[in-house]
Amino acid sequence: DADVTQTPRNRITKTGKRIMLECSQTKGHDRMYWYRQDPGLGLQLIYYSFDVKDINKGEISDGYSVSRQAQAKFSLSLESAIPNQTALYFCATSDLGRGIGELFFGEGSRLTVL
Amino acid sequence: DQQVKQNSPSLSVQEGRISILNCDYTNSMFDYFLWYKKYPAEGPTFLISISSIKDKNEDGRFTVFLNKSAKHLSLHIVPSQPGDSAVYFCAASEENAGGTSYGKLTFGQGTILTVHP
Repeated sequence: DADVTQTPRNRITKTGKRIMLECSQTKGHDRMYWYRQDPGLGLQLIYYSFDVKDINKGEISDGYSVSRQAQAKFSLSLESAIPNQTALYFCATSDLGRGIGELFFGEGSRLTVL
Repeated sequence: DQQVKQNSPSLSVQEGRISILNCDYTNSMFDYFLWYKKYPAEGPTFLISISSIKDKNEDGRFTVFLNKSAKHLSLHIVPSQPGDSAVYFCAASEENAGGTSYGKLTFGQGTILTVHP
């Protein structure tokens, strides 16, 4: 089983609908992140959380919200989806205590907004 | 404004030869750099990193070079193998007091590497 699990893996929805992408991890890491990938733009940070009580906006947080339900769970919501939110979304975790600090990514959630 | 740039969208290399992937950055506060590899339908996976106190870090076939004055880093893969074919992302971060990345990364656009048998 994957250490960082994202659901759903694929979702097609219509403009104006509310969408939630969920992420759970078994790595025991405190830090969790949501990134989106667009062709030609690399990965951009949407939100990040350094512990359950800490939520921070990233580069492109407009139109998104997050909830850190537990150390292991971090969900991303699109309150009213629009077509330019069509992208590949990645959840990631990190653990500074490990000494390297690299991110561990889930397999991605492909969202299409029609 | 793109603070981390990978100006080559793609690179094609023959098996056994060297692959060189380049990355430039503009933010002088960046002092910790990472390379990630991504296969289709998978999330990116960490490959190698380098702190600004070094100018080279090596791990098997992978070597990252950092030129702070030029704000440039490169990833060398020697020898290249067909299994190395993937998208490679350069990423940058500010170091924390412990000498590791804060984990809030700024990514480049990625370079598609194709290694031909």
